[in-house]
Amino acid sequence: AQSVTQLDSQVPVFEEAPVELRCNYSSSVSVYLFWYVQYPNQGLQLLLKYLSGSTLVESINGFEAEFNKSQTSFHLRKPSVHISDTAEYFCAVSVSGSARQLTFGSGTQLTVLP
Amino acid sequence: DADVTQTPRNRITKTGKRIMLECSQTKGHDRMYWYRQDPGLGLRLIYYSFDVKDINKGEISDGYSVSRQAQAKFSLSLESAIPNQTALYFCATSDIRDPYEQYFGPGTRLTVT
Repeated sequence: AQSVTQLDSQVPVFEEAPVELRCNYSSSVSVYLFWYVQYPNQGLQLLLKYLSGSTLVESINGFEAEFNKSQTSFHLRKPSVHISDTAEYFCAVSVSGSARQLTFGSGTQLTVLP
Repeated sequence: DADVTQTPRNRITKTGKRIMLECSQTKGHDRMYWYRQDPGLGLRLIYYSFDVKDINKGEISDGYSVSRQAQAKFSLSLESAIPNQTALYFCATSDIRDPYEQYFGPGTRLTVT
């Protein structure tokens, strides 16, 4: 079975600083990888996804993530964060044969400080 | 109007009571899901449905049941609520053409005392 580990439960960072949210997965078969974001008092929204092709994927609001197969990682980065990026971020994985279900990590709360 | 709605948004109930959480969607998606979110555990899948006649158990289905009344409606029931079912419950939908992008409702905060 697949699993997802988000090592950091809380990441505080000052506005305009860079940030990296870490995600590692375990699976013996090919995976698809995702980052979802949950703003306060809202449901989750898809931020970006890796299905195939280029290992570097980007979102419309400046986040990027890189699929690293050898390190089984899919870390999320942003070079300069804004107050509005404060949210909880979930890494998720889907594997072949899983009926395209998502397995979520435990989440990382990103808090951007002024 | 929201594409995925959940009722109620908040509910406090007592141990042993039966409770139903409802989810409706206007996105026209075939697939619907119920998750629970607990602090430090992320989201865990309770049940999912690929169409009205297709219901499947997820990772943590014990103590829960579901009903897919129509393509747009998917209800979650707790037959006899217990305190460790206190959690935030989310309904989600996805399109068969892009199954990985799930659209979430705003959540129902359930407290069992």
